[in-house]
Amino acid sequence: GAGVSQSPRYKVAKRGQDVALRCDPISGHVSLFWYQQALGQGPEFLTYFQNEAQLDKSGLPSDRFFAERPEGSVSTLKIQRTQQEDSAVYLCASSFSGGGYTFGSGTRLTVV
Amino acid sequence: QKEVEQDPGPLSVPEGAIVSLNCTYSNSAFQYFMWYRQYSRKGPELLMYTYSSGNKEDGRFTAQVDKSSKYISLFIRDSQPSDSATYLCAMSATGQAGTALIFGKGTTLSVSS
Repeated sequence: GAGVSQSPRYKVAKRGQDVALRCDPISGHVSLFWYQQALGQGPEFLTYFQNEAQLDKSGLPSDRFFAERPEGSVSTLKIQRTQQEDSAVYLCASSFSGGGYTFGSGTRLTVV
Repeated sequence: QKEVEQDPGPLSVPEGAIVSLNCTYSNSAFQYFMWYRQYSRKGPELLMYTYSSGNKEDGRFTAQVDKSSKYISLFIRDSQPSDSATYLCAMSATGQAGTALIFGKGTTLSVSS
């Protein structure tokens, strides 16, 4: 596609519920990142994929967070047993190589 | 102290003003510096990408990096209402694929007509 596509745009989850957030990167982009952006803050790194390999997951805040990119294109970020502090915008970004990345519009997760 | 500090504003200016946005950082390993613009309920959009110290100009936008002072700036000339957005600085130690960006908090800019 022309840009990075994320779905759903908005998600409301009850505390304790599992959620799955999808990212469809620009076709051919090797690198894929997930970032978390809390209200009034800049994005913070969660995890990085090069093709299907998850090379860096040092930013995942707990073992409730899990990401995958099984075929090296679409990626899913899963959060288990959601808590209120997980409320944020989850941004996906992709690039062909290094340099600046193209971000999606994000998924706004609200945990109630 | 965070690695990247950015005054969140808000900053309000009249149309046509020159806007100066700034970030300071503490990690001397940072070599690559970016400015992103983020409209409400949208993802960040890359505006400027610079390596090491110096200036880079693109239309109404000029990015400056002073590594000796660990200080970067974005200047917007002849500001327009469409420039109203949050501006995020970001930086990294390398430009290689897979390098995570460290972002500032963002400065909210409002340009009134």
